[in-house]
Amino acid sequence: GDSVTQMEGPVTLSEEAFLTINCTYTATGYPSLFWYVQYPGEGLQLLLKATKADDKGSNKGFEATYRKETTSFHLEKGSVQVSDSAVYFCALSGNFNKFYFGSGTKLNVKP
Amino acid sequence: NAGVTQTPKFQVLKTGQSMTLQCAQDMNHNSMYWYRQDPGMGLRLIYYSASEGTTDKGEVPNGYNVSRLNKREFSLRLESAAPSQTSVYFCASSEFSVRRDVTYEQYFGPGTRLTVT
Repeated sequence: GDSVTQMEGPVTLSEEAFLTINCTYTATGYPSLFWYVQYPGEGLQLLLKATKADDKGSNKGFEATYRKETTSFHLEKGSVQVSDSAVYFCALSGNFNKFYFGSGTKLNVKP
Repeated sequence: NAGVTQTPKFQVLKTGQSMTLQCAQDMNHNSMYWYRQDPGMGLRLIYYSASEGTTDKGEVPNGYNVSRLNKREFSLRLESAAPSQTSVYFCASSEFSVRRDVTYEQYFGPGTRLTVT
């Protein structure tokens, strides 16, 4: 069945450091891939998405490229800020727009 | 626009009690979803409603029932709560799609934190 695996956290970085959060997926066909972010006490918000192979999603300095050959969708940011501290979820879409989420990666950014 | 709203925000139940979690959306979406979020397990789909008048089981439906009351509202009921149902519950909504290659963003509510003692 469809599934998403993402690196365990927490990830602790200093401000302005480079961020990578790994995400790999298993799916039949060609799903869309998403990154969602959850700030403390809130629901999930869409951060970026990619709908086909080699697409790059980007938003707020974050990027992720849909790699079909490695079944990956790693999240990157060149210079993190304290305000980026949150939990990040990788997800893929199935039929009827059902989403399958990874376990989440908590990011702590220190000043 | 309020987006997706959920009530209550917090709830404590004793084992065996029942309750209904309410969800409403004002985005005119056809599809609605209920997830539970547990530490280290991400979000798991409990039930979904692809369109008004239909509901289907997700990954972890046991112990839950749902009602799609109308296009706006989708409720989740726990008939006899158990400690294993202690979790944070999220409702989400989206446009309708049956095809994997046609996908839409899901919009999430703020969550209900449920504790069963």
